[in-house]
Amino acid sequence: EAQVTQNPRYLITVTGKKLTVTCSQNMNHEYMSWYRQDPGLGLRQIYYSMNVEVTDKGDVPEGYKVSRKEKRNFPLILESPSPNQTSLYFCASSLSWGAQGGELFFGEGSRLTVL
Amino acid sequence: AQRVTQPEKLLSVFKGAPVELKCNYSYSGSPELFWYVQYSRQRLQLLLRHISRESIKGFTADLNKGETSFHLKKPFAQEEDSAMYYCALRRAGNMLTFGGGTRLMVKP
Repeated sequence: EAQVTQNPRYLITVTGKKLTVTCSQNMNHEYMSWYRQDPGLGLRQIYYSMNVEVTDKGDVPEGYKVSRKEKRNFPLILESPSPNQTSLYFCASSLSWGAQGGELFFGEGSRLTVL
Repeated sequence: AQRVTQPEKLLSVFKGAPVELKCNYSYSGSPELFWYVQYSRQRLQLLLRHISRESIKGFTADLNKGETSFHLKKPFAQEEDSAMYYCALRRAGNMLTFGGGTRLMVKP
C-alpha cells in the first residue's frame, strides 16, 4: 500500500533530550516535507526536501534539523527539545517539488509532548 | 507575503442544511488553491483543487480573484462531512501555505 509512515506516533519527552521522528514513503517521491500543526495556526512548514541531499528551511525551522540521505526517508531531528515544540507533526510527500508535483500525501501524524 | 485565512474555527450545521466554509487569501502572484480534509482518525488528504473545477463528495469551490476567496460549499451537508477542513495556497513549487482550519460539525 502506498503510504507515508511516521514513527513514533506518540512521544512524551523532557526538555533537552534529543529525539528523532522518522518519516518514510514507499512511492518513490522526490519531494518531502515536515509540518507542525498547532490549534488555530493550521499547518506550518518546518523543512522540506526537493530530492536526496537537497533540503531547505520552511517557515518555522528554528530548533529542528533534517537530513535526506535516501529518497524514501526524511527524519526530523530535535537536538534539544523545548516545551514550545510540543505539537502534532506531519510528514508529507509528493511526486516532485514543482507545480506539477501532484497531490501531497500525508503521514498519520506524530504527537510530541515536551515536558 | 502569502497568507491564507479561515475566519471560522468551528462551523456547526444540521444535516441537510447548506454549508459554506470560508477561505480568503493574499498572494501577489497567480494563485493556486486547494482544500484538504482530515476526517476523524484519518490522514489529511486532498479534497479538491481549483484548477480541476471538480465536485468531490458534493463539495465545490470557486476561486474569486476579485474577492481573493476560495470558499468551499455543499448544498446539503451530511453527517459524514464532519471533519477538519484546511484551505491551502501553493506559493512555490509544491510548497503549500495552510489556513488555520475550520472544524465542521454536522448534527443529525
